[in-house]
Amino acid sequence: LAKTTQPISMDSYEGQEVNITCSHNNIATNDYITWYQQFPSQGPRFIIQGYKTKVTNEVASLFIPADRKSSTLSLPRVSLSDTAVYYCLVGPDRGSTLGRLYFGRGTQLTVWP
Amino acid sequence: GAGVSQSPRYKVAKRGQDVALRCDPISGHVSLFWYQQALGQGPEFLTYFQNEAQLDKSGLPSDRFFAERPEGSVSTLKIQRTQQEDSAVYLCASSFRTGEGYTFGSGTRLTVV
Repeated sequence: LAKTTQPISMDSYEGQEVNITCSHNNIATNDYITWYQQFPSQGPRFIIQGYKTKVTNEVASLFIPADRKSSTLSLPRVSLSDTAVYYCLVGPDRGSTLGRLYFGRGTQLTVWP
Repeated sequence: GAGVSQSPRYKVAKRGQDVALRCDPISGHVSLFWYQQALGQGPEFLTYFQNEAQLDKSGLPSDRFFAERPEGSVSTLKIQRTQQEDSAVYLCASSFRTGEGYTFGSGTRLTVV
């Protein structure tokens, strides 16, 4: 059973705001929601992590509704260099020492000039 | 070091050959993970260390896969009698504390011919 569901691909143009929504209907009470970005020939790079409501950093914002069954990664004013695969993950468990992460297939975001 | 370093960057092995992949985590990082990423897929968890203790090896696909981290810093993933289905990118990640964003290396691309 997939832990997360997200679109396979998305297209955008430079300067636009991009929102990628992820479904995680079976999220556990103590799971974080974490997003990673991956460029070709590189390992995934941590973008943002949250538990509830809204989290913002210098790169992105993460919106989490009260039921936590979905989340939305928001990238403001994307550029060509934001073209990458974006992974939504549930985990790690806030109370666990294990921290195992489950990646899905991710969303391929392509930004056009 | 400034990041997670993996070597070699590329490895071509003949079927049946043994290989060893090395990971140098960020200095002081307690947690270390190995992931396997097939072409077009998200990373799949292999194993997890906290210092020198291997706390979770449930993702290792067979007993041909073995990982160690004897002094709690450098880790080696060994694959014995390589098979074609072992061809993938092997990623290493580390973190200072479980639950914090993990830093991934660029991976080792293994091709078994």
